[in-house]
Amino acid sequence: DTEVTQTPKHLVMGMTNKKSLKCEQHMGHRAMYWYKQKAKKPPELMFVYSYEKLSINESVPSRFSPECPNSSLLNLHLHALQPEDSALYLCASSQDGAAYRNSPLHFGNGTRLTVT
Amino acid sequence: AQSVTQLGSHVSVSEGALVLLRCNYSSSVPPYLFWYVQYPNQGLQLLLKYTSAATLVKGINGFEAEFKKSETSFHLTKPSAHMSDAAEYFCAVTSGNNRKLIWGLGTSLAVNP
Repeated sequence: DTEVTQTPKHLVMGMTNKKSLKCEQHMGHRAMYWYKQKAKKPPELMFVYSYEKLSINESVPSRFSPECPNSSLLNLHLHALQPEDSALYLCASSQDGAAYRNSPLHFGNGTRLTVT
Repeated sequence: AQSVTQLGSHVSVSEGALVLLRCNYSSSVPPYLFWYVQYPNQGLQLLLKYTSAATLVKGINGFEAEFKKSETSFHLTKPSAHMSDAAEYFCAVTSGNNRKLIWGLGTSLAVNP
């Protein structure tokens, strides 16, 4: 069982919809991440929150809006997405956002998003 | 700039055979290297990591990797493949400022009975 929980597992939305992806971890980690992954490709970093503050935004379009309500929760709000945004969205956490060597990433199982 | 090259996007082995997945890196600073595995319909899971301690690193599920600075390599091996090892394997290196992971393109491992 993964220690990072993502909901929903699957999501189908139209281009005019607004939806949110949720991620939760209870490992006391202080960094949380959103990644986007296309089939058979490595994950692409979207956002990093470190100590509940946005520390990295990889020039992600504004139709993706992250939110970190507290140290255990991470949301990704979606609005006016395009079909090319269809992908697996992975949440991850680590003990410390700036020290990969000592705090590897723990991934959830992802939300498979389809935009119609 | 840091980069990772995984040689062979697809590797196929027989059950019980040696698994060898290749990873070469380029780094301007001492690297921290990782292997992650992704089983179908799951997220990524850390197999093992190199962080400048022992050059031979043992991971989960019987996998190990050896850091060879002279060859800038961090190849992943397992003596005897199981059917359950079929998955996508990603090698990654930390960026120079240690703020990101640079990922290889992945190697898909198939295990034949």
